[in-house]
Amino acid sequence: QKEVEQNSGPLSVPEGAIASLNCTYSDRGSQSFFWYRQYSGKSPELIMSIYSNGDKEDGRFTAQLNKASQYVSLLIRDSQPSDSATYLCVIGGSNYKLTFGKGTLLTVNP
Amino acid sequence: GAGVSQSPRYKVAKRGQDVALRCDPISGHVSLFWYQQALGQGPEFLTYFQNEAQLDKSGLPSDRFFAERPEGSVSTLKIQRTQQEDSAVYLCASSIPDRVNEQFFGPGTRLTVL
Repeated sequence: QKEVEQNSGPLSVPEGAIASLNCTYSDRGSQSFFWYRQYSGKSPELIMSIYSNGDKEDGRFTAQLNKASQYVSLLIRDSQPSDSATYLCVIGGSNYKLTFGKGTLLTVNP
Repeated sequence: GAGVSQSPRYKVAKRGQDVALRCDPISGHVSLFWYQQALGQGPEFLTYFQNEAQLDKSGLPSDRFFAERPEGSVSTLKIQRTQQEDSAVYLCASSIPDRVNEQFFGPGTRLTVL
């Protein structure tokens, strides 16, 4: 059974701060790693994908992957109230199946 | 259309009724997925289509669940004799073959079984 564990929330940060979201996964054969953002009552939206060890930056978002530690994280710099949502860590294997974490609820306080 | 569309957005069914949920993927997206999302949980895989072929239905929870995509575009998820435990949000996602795991989700159908 493939497992994806996310740091338990909810996470609350002040506006302008860095929000750090963490995730570990059990399957060493995992090959693709994603962060989805899901606003309340809405569908998941892909915001970051990462496939190799290291950091990947896109605007205020940085994804970090460490396959040896089976760890992936998402940093959100200069957090905005509009970043308030549930963030899902999603792991892909060698095929099309994705395994989703339960999500971490982030609240950015103005 | 610009994104994945699903209909209806909300469905209330009495226990024992049959329901049909529709998904219209992004144009040109060969791969189509159905997921079930319970409250407070991440989505869970139900089934996968590549064009009209259903390549994996291992996530369907019972034989009351049936999915089809006869022309390789629109897909329908049918649930027969609905039960209360079927209440959930049903999400459809699509992707291109080269990036099958980069899936784009529709708005979902929230099914409530009374």
